[in-house]
Amino acid sequence: DAKTTQPNSMESNEEEPVHLPCNHSTISGTDYIHWYRQLPSQGPEYVIHGLTSNVNNRMASLAIAEDRKSSTLILHRATLRDAAVYYCILRVLQIIQGAQKLVFGQGTRLTINP
Amino acid sequence: NAGVTQTPKFRILKIGQSMTLQCTQDMNHNYMYWYRQDPGMGLKLIYYSVGAGITDKGEVPNGYNVSRSTTEDFPLRLELAAPSQTSVYFCASSYPRYRDRVTEAFFGQGTRLTVV
Repeated sequence: DAKTTQPNSMESNEEEPVHLPCNHSTISGTDYIHWYRQLPSQGPEYVIHGLTSNVNNRMASLAIAEDRKSSTLILHRATLRDAAVYYCILRVLQIIQGAQKLVFGQGTRLTINP
Repeated sequence: NAGVTQTPKFRILKIGQSMTLQCTQDMNHNYMYWYRQDPGMGLKLIYYSVGAGITDKGEVPNGYNVSRSTTEDFPLRLELAAPSQTSVYFCASSYPRYRDRVTEAFFGQGTRLTVV
């Protein structure tokens, strides 16, 4: 399975933009890039996903490099509630069963300073 | 909306005991998953299911068993609990509207298991 590499931790200030990087140099053509986040003592929650084009939703933006070997999750105005571990994940599609497995790495722990 | 519900939230087991972690979802999702998360680590896939009666192993299946008799329920069975199974267990579900379309996964709140 293709792997992702993220910084272990990052720190930012409240109401400032945050750019969370992810490298996935062995990504295949059919792999979607997913981002999930895990708030303290909770299960992961979906943030955003994309394939080739940049994506925006109410939570964040996803910028994908032209060669797809890296991507960046952008939180436009961080709040204290955005403090979490952010996981960049490549969705692995099992062709035979059609299952969509999410393979998690260690993620980036984001700290937001007031 | 209940979403994905896991029970119990906490449990302490003695070495060699067995237990079943319950997971149920009310979203009519076909796909369900069990993950474990060790302290400071990411999630590792234990087992997954693409529908009732169909299950398959993930990265770390040893010491666990699953069954999927209904769409809603996906219990995880621990036989002969060992200290290495001390972890937080997360159940998740997703619904593939089309096989080549991406869907988000919904996670439960987790079961914190300690084996002593």
